[in-house]
Amino acid sequence: ETGVTQTPRHLVMGMTNKKSLKCEQHLGHNAMYWYKQSAKKPLELMFVYSLEERVENNSVPSRFSPECPNSSHLFLHLHTLQPEDSALYLCASSQVGVHPEAFFGQGTRLTVV
Amino acid sequence: AQSVTQPDIHITVSEGASLELRCNYSYGATPYLFWYVQSPGQGLQLLLKYFSGDTLVQGIKGFEAEFKRSQSSFNLRKPSVHWSDAAEYFCAVAPSGGYQKVTFGTGTKLQVIP
Repeated sequence: ETGVTQTPRHLVMGMTNKKSLKCEQHLGHNAMYWYKQSAKKPLELMFVYSLEERVENNSVPSRFSPECPNSSHLFLHLHTLQPEDSALYLCASSQVGVHPEAFFGQGTRLTVV
Repeated sequence: AQSVTQPDIHITVSEGASLELRCNYSYGATPYLFWYVQSPGQGLQLLLKYFSGDTLVQGIKGFEAEFKRSQSSFNLRKPSVHWSDAAEYFCAVAPSGGYQKVTFGTGTKLQVIP
């Protein structure tokens, strides 16, 4: 596989469920990102991991919990979400200082019911 | 703080016509600038990027963009649009160096009519 892969592509969950989104990058990058894309809103940067350390947490509610076990994998753990959390969640990766452009996965379409 | 403005929410062009999508940015120094394209239900694909040097940059799918420092603009152009270009286009800015704290514009949705 190449690029950035996100699973699952679609997820429907109840407000009391716990689920996780997975992102894997095969580009040898050392930074990974979670973005949220809601209808009629700009893409919102949620979290940034650089060299496996979390360096950005943009006022994201604690019901979203990221995890970066290594430079190739990024997770977003979800619990007790709200309907307004329904959105497309995009993962991206980049190489700090060398190829700074971000490469995106295809996203997970999350629906909270 | 950096910001990006894409003044056109929707644009409709005829197939074969030329296209220009506008982007203005606000940043204290020379930033990194990007254009991404997103098809429905998909992630973002990088079309082109500007870091330094030649202010006219070529990208994939026949797109180009011109960096104009005096106007703080980075407009995207294509001489002849194809029906497959229908998508949403995002301009983005990031500070030079370090990890990419990218700020995106709100996007321009392009419709192509036969």
